Amino acid sequence: GQSLEQPSEVTAVEGAIVQINCTYQTSGFYGLSWYQQHDGGAPTFLSYNALDGLEETGRFSSFLSRSDSYGYLLLQELQMKDSASYFCAVRGDLNTGFQKLVFGTGTRLLVSP
Amino acid sequence: EAQVTQNPRYLITVTGKKLTVTCSQNMNHEYMSWYRQDPGLGLRQIYYSMNVEVTDKGDVPEGYKVSRKEKRNFPLILESPSPNQTSLYFCASFRTGVKDRISGRWNEQFFGPGTRLTVL
Repeated sequence: GQSLEQPSEVTAVEGAIVQINCTYQTSGFYGLSWYQQHDGGAPTFLSYNALDGLEETGRFSSFLSRSDSYGYLLLQELQMKDSASYFCAVRGDLNTGFQKLVFGTGTRLLVSP
Repeated sequence: EAQVTQNPRYLITVTGKKLTVTCSQNMNHEYMSWYRQDPGLGLRQIYYSMNVEVTDKGDVPEGYKVSRKEKRNFPLILESPSPNQTSLYFCASFRTGVKDRISGRWNEQFFGPGTRLTVL
């Protein structure tokens, strides 16, 4: 099976940089995604890494290393509105061909003034 | 407007009374999915569909049914709801294999607003 581990909570101050890690145990998958969810809202897509390396989208970057079974989301120039929960997710199992999506349990980011 | 819609948004029901939560997307996405979200457990996939008439189980399919007769619709059916199915449910969809026509990004999954279900 697949499982993804994330820290349950991270705190930081406005303007800082924070890294949210995602370590996984899975035999193979198509890609690693990141989602943001504010309290009471639906998850929204942030990024997707199909290949190893860094993907940059504005203040957010995401990194994947398949050899290390590890990925992270990097948030720069933190703003109060970045306070939310962040989820990593993997899709598919290259061994079975199943296309199910598995999410991590999420990291709650608290940004303080 | 490109979106995923779910109905109802809130539902309180009693044990054993069959219910259906509808989900519809207007983006011509192949992949559609249902999730439940419970405190401390994150999002767990219930069922997914790769295309019309193609459905498969996610991690927590017990007690649920789905169908995909049309590309845009993916209803979730609870034949005999029980209190342990009290949860927040999300429907989602995305385009597989190519960049999303609207966002230009790969594998961007769009979520509906959620359905909060309480089974008494």
